[in-house]
Amino acid sequence: DQQVKQNSPSLSVQEGRISILNCDYTNSMFDYFLWYKKYPAEGPTFLISISSIKDKNEDGRFTVFLNKSAKHLSLHIVPSQPGDSAVYFCAARWSGGGADGLTFGKGTHLIIQP
Amino acid sequence: GAGVSQSPSNKVTEKGKDVELRCDPISGHTALYWYRQSLGQGLEFLIYFQGNSAPDKSGLPSDRFSAERTGGSVSTLTIQRTQQEDSAVYLCASSLAGGRANQPQHFGDGTRLSIL
Repeated sequence: DQQVKQNSPSLSVQEGRISILNCDYTNSMFDYFLWYKKYPAEGPTFLISISSIKDKNEDGRFTVFLNKSAKHLSLHIVPSQPGDSAVYFCAARWSGGGADGLTFGKGTHLIIQP
Repeated sequence: GAGVSQSPSNKVTEKGKDVELRCDPISGHTALYWYRQSLGQGLEFLIYFQGNSAPDKSGLPSDRFSAERTGGSVSTLTIQRTQQEDSAVYLCASSLAGGRANQPQHFGDGTRLSIL
């Protein structure tokens, strides 16, 4: 029973264009969402987060959008750069649940084409 | 360094042996987490520490897995009588606070465990 789903295992985008990574969740209690970026043989690196009281959070080239009614979030990267090629994980948490671990999706491999 | 440090980076051992994995969190982070990532899978939550206590052990896969944290800092994850299905990358993360505080978790580079 996957509570966080990233339905695209991979995504290829041309350098300079917008990359849009999608994530869906089923648990309506989730109230904090995060995106991580992972290179091979390294741990995930925190990119950006959003609380459920917001619908958008922006940090430089990265913007996360949250649609609570659709239980959907997306990460936009503009403009895409070669160094953005990595696996991106969406994660979610319920702050009042007592279970403090993040629930992760299986990741989307983003490939930036020159 | 300033990040989460894990050791060893790689561990190969025979089935049935015990292994101990170590995590040194970011200084000042009170919350510490263990995850594992099996091949082709997302990260699976194992256990969470707030200070030295573990209020949530729900993710430990079996009683062969245990973890402790001492001095509110270093944590060890122990797997007894290892099985081949324990092969995975074991990742540790820390955050400033857990509980109701929404703080991002910062990860180490993991220990790649291979059970022969």
